Amino acid sequence: AQKITQTQPGMFVQEKEAVTLDCTYDTSDPSYGLFWYKQPSSGEMIFLIYQGSYDQQNATEGRYSLNFQKARKSANLVISASQLGDSAMYFCAMRGDSGVGSYQLTFGKGTKLSVIP
Amino acid sequence: EPEVTQTPSHQVTQMGQEVILRCVPISNHLYFYWYRQILGQKVEFLVSFYNNEISEKSEIFDDQFSVERPDGSNFTLKIRSTKLEDSAMYFCASRKQGGRSPLHFGNGTRLTVT
Repeated sequence: AQKITQTQPGMFVQEKEAVTLDCTYDTSDPSYGLFWYKQPSSGEMIFLIYQGSYDQQNATEGRYSLNFQKARKSANLVISASQLGDSAMYFCAMRGDSGVGSYQLTFGKGTKLSVIP
Repeated sequence: EPEVTQTPSHQVTQMGQEVILRCVPISNHLYFYWYRQILGQKVEFLVSFYNNEISEKSEIFDDQFSVERPDGSNFTLKIRSTKLEDSAMYFCASRKQGGRSPLHFGNGTRLTVT
């Protein structure tokens, strides 16, 4: 079974500062993928970034980067230069290696990020 | 940029009634999913659909639930006899072929069962 743990229910960050949102995972699959999604108050789920378990480099997408430490089973999201629009719920999720067509994502409980002007 | 669209955005229904939640996935995507999020809780997997059949389903997806792709564009989730505990946000998602391709979620349908 897969498990995602997000230990920070809420975080505050000053506008223009960087912030790290923690995510640890547990899986017995040799191959897996890790995702981060953003959920604003309007409710939609927005894909941010993906890291494959065999990727040699940490993933980056604009202001988002993923600090992937495989031995520690952590996949922390780093948001640089925070903006007011970054205020949202952030979910870490994992995909296991369970066969063709299967793409069951396991989500963490989320971290609510508030950006302070 | 193409997106997954879901209708309606909000559905209110009485306990015991049937509801159909509708989704139009991104046109070149091959894999389709339903997830749900009970208020304040985790997002939970319900079902995945590929090549016109269910490829995987969770324990939540019991006989009261069904999915269908009636034509080349729509993907529906039916709940036959709704219960109070079915109240949740239901997300449709789709993705392209390839293990690295992310799920693209729709904006969700908030289902309220009274």
